[in-house]
Amino acid sequence: LAKTTQPISMDSYEGQEVNITCSHNNIATNDYITWYQQFPSQGPRFIIQGYKTKVTNEVASLFIPADRKSSTLSLPRVSLSDTAVYYCLGYTGGFKTIFGAGTRLFVKA
Amino acid sequence: NAGVTQTPKFQVLKTGQSMTLQCAQDMNHEYMSWYRQDPGMGLRLIHYSVGAGITDQGEVPNGYNVSRSTTEDFPLRLLSAAPSQTSVYFCASSQTSGSVNEQFFGPGTRLTVL
Repeated sequence: LAKTTQPISMDSYEGQEVNITCSHNNIATNDYITWYQQFPSQGPRFIIQGYKTKVTNEVASLFIPADRKSSTLSLPRVSLSDTAVYYCLGYTGGFKTIFGAGTRLFVKA
Repeated sequence: NAGVTQTPKFQVLKTGQSMTLQCAQDMNHEYMSWYRQDPGMGLRLIHYSVGAGITDQGEVPNGYNVSRSTTEDFPLRLLSAAPSQTSVYFCASSQTSGSVNEQFFGPGTRLTVL
């Protein structure tokens, strides 16, 4: 069962870089590492995905070490609007998605 | 494209009543799924479908039925509502199954069972 572990909450200030680490010890060889963002009263939204090393898009960067047992989501220069819950996903059998409890990020002015 | 749509947005039921939550997508996605999210918790998978005519159970399937007669629609049926089913329900779709695929979520249905 490919569950994930991440911090329950984090605080930051506007303009800072935020790094959220996820542990996924039982990740399968074929599985990608995916992060989602969820604002209150909305469905989750895809942020970034990777298989190994580093991936960057317009929103975030994802760092994956060689053993793939963890990953770090990096949000550069956060703003108040980045206050949300961030999920690192696990998978079972390729079809069943496991969200976990997520990390509540609170960005302060 | 409307993406993933869900109806209704809000619903109040009495214990023992039945109802169907509707979900539709216009992206021709093969994979669809239903999640529930309890207050302060992450999403838990209820049922999923990898294509029309094919459904399977997720993590918390008890008390719910699904069917997939078309690619576009994936309704979730509550057979006999219980207060423990008070939650927010999200429907999602993706091009195929597997971790490589981005899931698109609907706006959710907030259900209260009295």
